[in-house]
Amino acid sequence: GAGVSQSPSNKVTEKGKDVELRCDPISGHTALYWYRQRLGQGLEFLIYFQGNSAPDKSGLPSDRFSAERTGESVSTLTIQRTQQEDSAVYLCASSLPGDEQFFGPGTRLTVL
Amino acid sequence: AQTVTQSQPEMSVQEAETVTLSCTYDTSESNYYLFWYKQPPSRQMILVIRQEAYKQQNATENRFSVNFQKAAKSFSLKISDSQLGDTAMYFCALFKAGNTGKLIFGQGTTLQVKP
Repeated sequence: GAGVSQSPSNKVTEKGKDVELRCDPISGHTALYWYRQRLGQGLEFLIYFQGNSAPDKSGLPSDRFSAERTGESVSTLTIQRTQQEDSAVYLCASSLPGDEQFFGPGTRLTVL
Repeated sequence: AQTVTQSQPEMSVQEAETVTLSCTYDTSESNYYLFWYKQPPSRQMILVIRQEAYKQQNATENRFSVNFQKAAKSFSLKISDSQLGDTAMYFCALFKAGNTGKLIFGQGTTLQVKP
């Protein structure tokens, strides 16, 4: 079946603009995760959704970052008033509860 | 706090030879999982191997094996018979059992396999 998909693949924006990044998880996966990967670095956890439970937002770096998930399907990560330090690859992953996380190909965000 | 440390930013190995990537971690949990992920230039994260902390036997997946030293909190990855397609960034990651939340990643090791 289809894996995790993310769109767009690349996004270039100007400082101060808002951006939306989309993630389509594997069908049936109730858990969804967003991570940020700065150039040459490991992945930093941002937010985690599990079914209808309240999301774990403990990794969001500032109130400019927010995310939503519609039921157990699509998720959108929104960054408001982007800054150059937001430039990174944003990776989404999905899983069954407590099981292996499957990653999407990521969105490379460049803030000019 | 849980942390993962990879002290080798870059490594290289000749094709067909063996290479070992190091990883140390810190956690107060008694039950957890450890993973090695591969990230080629395509950015796609691929699970290479996993180890449950309660298992003493080291995990093996074809040419990939780990040396899990629980007391020392060490989790190294050995790649045997290295292939050009193994060229990638490798990440060590920690996950608390029973928690469907986040993975804690190390900084990564860039591996170059030379022909």
